[in-house]
Amino acid sequence: DAKTTQPPSMDCAEGRAANLPCNHSTISGNEYVYWYRQIHSQGPQYIIHGLKNNETNEMASLIITEDRKSSTLILPHATLRDTAVYYCIVRVRANFGNEKLTFGTGTRLTIIP
Amino acid sequence: KAGVTQTPRYLIKTRGQQVTLSCSPISGHRSVSWYQQTPGQGLQFLFEYFSETQRNKGNFPGRFSGRQFSNSRSEMNVSTLELGDSALYLCASSLGEVNSPLHFGNGTRLTVT
Repeated sequence: DAKTTQPPSMDCAEGRAANLPCNHSTISGNEYVYWYRQIHSQGPQYIIHGLKNNETNEMASLIITEDRKSSTLILPHATLRDTAVYYCIVRVRANFGNEKLTFGTGTRLTIIP
Repeated sequence: KAGVTQTPRYLIKTRGQQVTLSCSPISGHRSVSWYQQTPGQGLQFLFEYFSETQRNKGNFPGRFSGRQFSNSRSEMNVSTLELGDSALYLCASSLGEVNSPLHFGNGTRLTVT
């Protein structure tokens, strides 16, 4: 799986949009971008994933650049409960198998009241 | 729909003992993966089971083993425990189809003394 680079930490004011960047310059054509977050003492929580089109769900939006070398996770109205470590992962799935995810060190997002 | 359930939540064992951890996946999920999380190494993949067969394995010694039952429930066993095995052990389940996201439980925190 391709390597990802994320800033180690970010702050965001409560109620504002949190924009978390991820660089994946070595991503290949069949690799998807996944985002997970982990709140202290809990397991990682799936947020969203995409291949090349922008994606949106009830939790967040994922913006992938046209060259697919970077992406941004957007939490539109951050709350204190969004304080967590956010992991960006690129992952290839070829039919069955290869459920392995390679987690980096992530971005520690702190929402400021 | 109930999430991934891991038992027990906390466990304290002594060096040399063995331990068995249990994971019940989300209903309908056929793939179960196990991860180890430590402060120093982050999240590391242990192995994945699909329809009772191990189809992917990480770089852990043979003391770490697992199995999956016909109802998709999975167990992980660690024999001859070492102090370095102290960690949060996370189980994740998925449908096992192409690009189906992994959903994690809240883990079992194992402390080896």
